[in-house]
Amino acid sequence: EVQLVQSGAEVKKPGESLKISCQGSGYSFSTHWIGWVRQMPGKGLEWMGIMYPDNSETRYSPSFQGQVTFSADRSTSTAYLQWSSLKASDTAMYYCARHRVDRATVVPFDIWGQGTMVTVSS
Amino acid sequence: DTQMTQSPSSLSASVGDRVSITCRANHDIRNYLSWYQQKPGKAPKLLIYGASNLETGVPSRFSGSGFGTDFIFTINSLQPEDIATYYCQHYDNFPRTFGQGTKVEIK
Repeated sequence: EVQLVQSGAEVKKPGESLKISCQGSGYSFSTHWIGWVRQMPGKGLEWMGIMYPDNSETRYSPSFQGQVTFSADRSTSTAYLQWSSLKASDTAMYYCARHRVDRATVVPFDIWGQGTMVTVSS
Repeated sequence: DTQMTQSPSSLSASVGDRVSITCRANHDIRNYLSWYQQKPGKAPKLLIYGASNLETGVPSRFSGSGFGTDFIFTINSLQPEDIATYYCQHYDNFPRTFGQGTKVEIK
């Protein structure tokens, strides 16, 4: 079964760092672009960007460029989303999702993780 | 950025009704459009890709059409399990963007 399993909910203070994970299984992790989507409480979906695990190529949304960092560990089929200094406005559910066709960029997401809730509060 | 304008923001219909949602792009995105369903507390689920292609396993009462800038998503014969928020998303260029969402409720 193709699936993405994300790490558990996090509660952090402003200024702290954080790295959340998304582990893929049941498919060729390295050759499918994987992306991140933010959903703030009660709001819609926001595309943050995508990464190609095989060569670490990334495409960030301008709204998130410089605010977050994507990375991946091919040996464990795990993608990561990290922040160096969290803000209260980073409070949201974060989803990882896989591109529908391997090696392709002009395709939608087909498989989604269950989401990781990040709460940033003093 | 390509802006996606979705309407209506919410709708209420009876079981068995046909419901339609529109999505408009502010420039030509060819057929690089997908539709997702998100139920409360759940991750989004891909229903339609390439504007009109039904994802494997998705019931045939869901359909999509359109090309260029104007797209329509339709549920023929609304079922209770279709209660959800529906989003369009383009994947023609970067950054990808989603529509604002349409919340579908049962009357």
